[in-house]
Amino acid sequence: SQQGEEDPQALSIQEGENATMNCSYKTSINNLQWYRQNSGRGLVHLILIRSNEREKHSGRLRVTLDTSKKSSSLLITASRAADTASYFCATDAGDKIIFGKGTRLHILP
Amino acid sequence: DAGITQSPRHKVTETGTPVTLRCHQTENHRYMYWYRQDPGHGLRLIHYSYGVKDTDKGEVSDGYSVSRSKTEDFLLTLESATSSQTSVYFCAIKGSSVSNEQFFGPGTRLTVL
Repeated sequence: SQQGEEDPQALSIQEGENATMNCSYKTSINNLQWYRQNSGRGLVHLILIRSNEREKHSGRLRVTLDTSKKSSSLLITASRAADTASYFCATDAGDKIIFGKGTRLHILP
Repeated sequence: DAGITQSPRHKVTETGTPVTLRCHQTENHRYMYWYRQDPGHGLRLIHYSYGVKDTDKGEVSDGYSVSRSKTEDFLLTLESATSSQTSVYFCAIKGSSVSNEQFFGPGTRLTVL
């Protein structure tokens, strides 16, 4: 069964607003990663946060991790039309990583 | 794209026929992975390889086999394709020896009639 579950499944916001997506997982992890997928393309790695980290930033992305609640959030600030995509969290399980079902983000003009 | 190619990019086949998908990488990465992506299920791991001739099962391995006879190629075989294997298949490599950041190929869309 899948490890991560994203919430919400779909999200529509106005351009310029912030978008927040959440991920919950079931077992202990080494790290948690977020990926983006544009329609019809492969996934692209965005950011990785290790289990001993609580927050990480990369450009307009902010990721938090709460290992006690087994949850993570991805914040995209000042959204742009190009941010329209699906976003997946992925949990490190040794040699392999397990993906959630994703959040579909739509940025409205 | 970390030098990952997949072939074919699109394939239509009939139930019961064998199908082989190829993933090729040019950067000598040790770990390679095959995923399938279906609506409502996200990405699910089929098989992965941690070296030449070293492979292991993922969460949805039934009906699939893999082979890795050289570092650069990882083959996924559907011995007898079924309609439930209609999907988009992605190959990925592990890009870092420290973490599990993965880099994905462009995908293969397989339709089994």
